Amino acid sequence: SQQGEEDPQALSIQEGENATMNCSYKTSINNLQWYRQNSGRGLVHLILIRSNEREKHSGRLRVTLDTSKKSSSLLITASRAADTASYFCATFAQGGSEKLVFGKGMKLTVNP
Amino acid sequence: DTEVTQTPKHLVMGMTNKKSLKCEQHMGHRAMYWYKQKAKKPPELMFVYSYEKLSINESVPSRFSPECPNSSLLNLHLHALQPEDSALYLCASSQKGGDYNEQFFGPGTRLTVL
Repeated sequence: SQQGEEDPQALSIQEGENATMNCSYKTSINNLQWYRQNSGRGLVHLILIRSNEREKHSGRLRVTLDTSKKSSSLLITASRAADTASYFCATFAQGGSEKLVFGKGMKLTVNP
Repeated sequence: DTEVTQTPKHLVMGMTNKKSLKCEQHMGHRAMYWYKQKAKKPPELMFVYSYEKLSINESVPSRFSPECPNSSLLNLHLHALQPEDSALYLCASSQKGGDYNEQFFGPGTRLTVL
């Protein structure tokens, strides 16, 4: 079953613009992670935000987490063509599960 | 060495064949995972090995048989697959099972079942 739902499902922007992706989930979580996948290859971990954190930054990435709304957003600032990829949020449910559950994913296209 | 390697990159097999997918990591991670990903879908967990023991089997059909010979290696043995099993198979590892940390993914094996 899928825990996270990304919104929008596809986004096309121009280089230099900001891209915002939203993720909603259903159960209480231990943490929420964002991954990037280029062209159907392996996933690359981008950032992890714990359930007691509200905002986190890493380079051009900014993640927020609202546990009361069960939602998160990923902001990529000053986008580049190389940011073109699919982005997934993923969560570990609370309670000791080792299962990382991915959202549906969002396809970002950054046009040069 | 901070990567997970997978072989082969591509595999085409008939429904009566037996083949194996291999995954290797040298990061000292003690948890390893197999995921299946269909086109335009998210990865779905198949198996988790924690300290070389199978800890999660997500009700995967027995035609998929995982094996963890040691802490660095993970295999997925395939037998009598169906065309609907065609997918990208991803291996991942993390420091230890149940630690909720990031997972490191390999590039995947693109499997086609004829």
